[in-house]
Amino acid sequence: DAGVTQSPTHLIKTRGQHVTLRCSPISGHKSVSWYQQVLGQGPQFIFQYYEKEERGRGNFPDRFSARQFPNYSSELNVNALLLGDSALYLCASSPGLEEAFFGQGTRLTVV
Amino acid sequence: SQQGEEDPQALSIQEGENATMNCSYKTSINNLQWYRQNSGRGLVHLILIRSNEREKHSGRLRVTLDTSKKSSSLLITASRAADTVSYFCATDSYGQNFVFGPGTRLSVLP
Repeated sequence: DAGVTQSPTHLIKTRGQHVTLRCSPISGHKSVSWYQQVLGQGPQFIFQYYEKEERGRGNFPDRFSARQFPNYSSELNVNALLLGDSALYLCASSPGLEEAFFGQGTRLTVV
Repeated sequence: SQQGEEDPQALSIQEGENATMNCSYKTSINNLQWYRQNSGRGLVHLILIRSNEREKHSGRLRVTLDTSKKSSSLLITASRAADTVSYFCATDSYGQNFVFGPGTRLSVLP
């Protein structure tokens, strides 16, 4: 069975640009969450979606947005990129609201 | 601020020894989970322990949870070189998002 898949794996963007990161959850999982992990720190929660509705939002600016599609895949969008947005972005899927399974992440570098 | 706080931040042991790392948290939780992560790659789920459980085992892993002290420990027995990764605890407060600590970097020396 395929795990959580994220694309792209690596990305380099320039300050001020926009980026879209994509995530496909494990088949049958209806919950998708996004996390940002800065080098040397633990992941920080950004968004959770369950059944296509936003269930939670972390302490991130409005430049960050996300959505979940009818097939439960999800996109994370970041506008007006800053150098500080450089991080590993992790997507996790869950069958419900407990155990989460993570993808390999998208490494975003803003220059 | 992060709720989970792993201790120590870094740990070096000899191959074959046991490794113990701790996690403390601040508010009531529904469950606590431990993950491992190899060099900035994806997180791999190790074990979940619910708030009404005190101990769980999975292979060489043993996790304890003390809700009165708001703390958990992860014990890895008979460590191997492949255990050299970072370990994170994550708390789940009743359907809310997972809150991760800064992690423990484990080094298993030959």
